[in-house]
Amino acid sequence: NAGVTQTPKFQVLKTGQSMTLQCAQDMNHEYMSWYRQDPGMGLRLIHYSVGAGITDQGEVPNGYNVSRSTTEDFPLRLLSAAPSQTSVYFCASSYAGTQETQYFGPGTRLLVL
Amino acid sequence: AQTVTQSQPEMSVQEAETVTLSCTYDTSESDYYLFWYKQPPSRQMILVIRQEAYKQQNATENRFSVNFQKAAKSFSLKISDSQLGDAAMYFCAPYYKYIFGTGTRLKVLA
Repeated sequence: NAGVTQTPKFQVLKTGQSMTLQCAQDMNHEYMSWYRQDPGMGLRLIHYSVGAGITDQGEVPNGYNVSRSTTEDFPLRLLSAAPSQTSVYFCASSYAGTQETQYFGPGTRLLVL
Repeated sequence: AQTVTQSQPEMSVQEAETVTLSCTYDTSESDYYLFWYKQPPSRQMILVIRQEAYKQQNATENRFSVNFQKAAKSFSLKISDSQLGDAAMYFCAPYYKYIFGTGTRLKVLA
């Protein structure tokens, strides 16, 4: 039981490049979410999903796309990377939304030059 | 707007002593859940404790306990008998809308 996995652990991008951050969970959780963590700002929600085929925007969605074709996977796509997207990205999952504990992946550190 | 405030960016505690981390929030919801998460230097986010807002009894998990005051919208975390391994960032999450506080960095002094 791997829990929540994220790849890559670290990535350097140039401005304008695109990439996909991968997230997978093996706990059969319906709810999945993506956060970014910046110094002094805690975690901010980017996008979330309440089940396969259903996604919604969080607090800071601009510049990011998501899709949820399976229960297990929830990739985050950066369409055209900007230095402002330099951050640590966390994926999380939970069984049933905001009343349940979230399980977090180990994070992806992204540097956009 | 729903907000979460952790007013102590950093705190220090002597090993074996007790420390309390504060968290206040603002919501119009009546039924919700509150969480404290710990983030050690490894960056892995780990659940510390969970409180259901409709319960009057404060949650306790070993050395960790909360002081939940619903009317005051306050949800503080008390760590008793602090250990070196407690050194981490602590995030409050009154979890009605995937919102987290900005965190408190706890240093434990030997």
